[in-house]
Amino acid sequence: SYELTQPSSVSVSPGQTARITCSGDVLAKKYARWFQQKPGQAPVMVIYKDSERPSGIPERFSGSSSGTTVTLTISGAQVEDEADYYCYSAADNNWVFGGGTKLTVL
Amino acid sequence: QVQLVESGGGVVQPGRSLRLSCTASGFTFSSYGMHWVRQAPGKGLEWVAVIWYDGSKQYYADSVKGRFTISRDNSKNTLYLQMNSLRAEDTAVYYCAREDSSSSHWGQGTLVTVSS
Repeated sequence: SYELTQPSSVSVSPGQTARITCSGDVLAKKYARWFQQKPGQAPVMVIYKDSERPSGIPERFSGSSSGTTVTLTISGAQVEDEADYYCYSAADNNWVFGGGTKLTVL
Repeated sequence: QVQLVESGGGVVQPGRSLRLSCTASGFTFSSYGMHWVRQAPGKGLEWVAVIWYDGSKQYYADSVKGRFTISRDNSKNTLYLQMNSLRAEDTAVYYCAREDSSSSHWGQGTLVTVSS
């Protein structure tokens, strides 16, 4: 099975750029998705295919990929972006989430 | 719009069984693969199982293999998760999800508590 590794926490001030990384061997050959989860709510996809943004997701959310690492970037983070963020990928009939990153914006 | 509604959660003793359901609406259920994902209290997301659109293939996380069975009834637009030999570590909110190439839709989840 595969593993995806994320930092447990990231902290930024409002208006700053937040970057959350996700590393794993599977990312060299498979796309990643990013999910945002706020307390008591179901996850919401904010990035798919490493860097594509679904409709309705603010432009400040972007994704990139390099080798075995993908990065979620929130440019000009807002207080409402404070949440847990999970990367997600799949290969060889294994679907795996990263451990999650708690983003604090204050 | 896509709607997924889970049901069947509750409190169950260790070693017992429980069946979760996920009722889908707003899309052609029989055209999509479906997943179960769970989240233990205060913990991260854990993928549990997937079933192909026609039910022909199923795959499981190692943590539930041999104990859980994912199935579907396309005539009823319903996804199931049969959970046997439940353990305390299976305590979690269970979500059903529809994933495709460019979208992801989740239900609000149903809580399963395994406790004596």
